[in-house]
Amino acid sequence: GIQVEQSPPDLILQEGANSTLRCNFSDSVNNLQWFHQNPWGQLINLFYIPSGTKQNGRLSATTVATERYSLLYISSSQTTDSGVYFCAAENAGGTSYGKLTFGQGTILTVHP
Amino acid sequence: DTGVSQDPRHKITKRGQNVTFRCDPISEHNRLYWYRQTLGQGPEFLTYFQNEAQLEKSRLLSDRFSAERPKGSFSTLEIQRTEQGDSAMYLCASSSEPRLAGGRDEQFFGPGTRLTVL
Repeated sequence: GIQVEQSPPDLILQEGANSTLRCNFSDSVNNLQWFHQNPWGQLINLFYIPSGTKQNGRLSATTVATERYSLLYISSSQTTDSGVYFCAAENAGGTSYGKLTFGQGTILTVHP
Repeated sequence: DTGVSQDPRHKITKRGQNVTFRCDPISEHNRLYWYRQTLGQGPEFLTYFQNEAQLEKSRLLSDRFSAERPKGSFSTLEIQRTEQGDSAMYLCASSSEPRLAGGRDEQFFGPGTRLTVL
C-alpha cells in the first residue's frame, strides 16, 4: 500500500514565527488531506488538496502530485496552533475505496 | 449539519468484556469508515462501508472485531473479549462517493471513542 512520511516529527516555535510541514507519499493519490488533531483527539479538517495550492487565513497548502509531496505552511503562528498535524493520502486506482493512510504526524509546539 | 458523532466518548472496561461503539455519520454521506489510533501514532484504517455494504476490512480487524451498518445510516463497532492491546482511540469518519460530490471524497471525522482496557 501507499506509504506516507511526514517531517519534521517535532517542531518548536516562538509565537509569530512561520513554519513548513512536509508530507511525502509513495504513489499517486486520489485524495490528500491535512488535519490538525486537538488535545481532545478531534481531527480538524484543514485542507482537501490532492493537487494545487489552497489558502485559508494564515494556513496554506501545496500538493505537487507529480513529485509526490505536499507542504503545509503556517504563518504568524499562535499558541492555539499547537498540536499534532497529520497528512493522509488515498492511493489512486486499486480498490482502496477512499481508505486514508496517515503519516506519523508532526507535533507542533508554539511558545508565547 | 451536526457533523459526525460518536458514542460513548470514553469507555473503561475490564479485560474479557465486550464493548460496542456507535457512530452517526453526516446525514448525506453514504461512506463510513472506522480507524484506530494508538498513542503517538497516526490513525490506522480498520473497515469501510458504502451504504450498508462492508466493502473492505483491514488485517488489523481480528475475529474479535465486528462492524455493522444495518440501514446504511449509523454504524456500530463491537469488540468481543477485549484485551489490553485494544486500548486506543476509535475514530469514525464519513464522506460522499466522489460521483455524488463533484469528484470530492473528503473525509470528516468524529470526536472518537477512547477505550481503556484494564
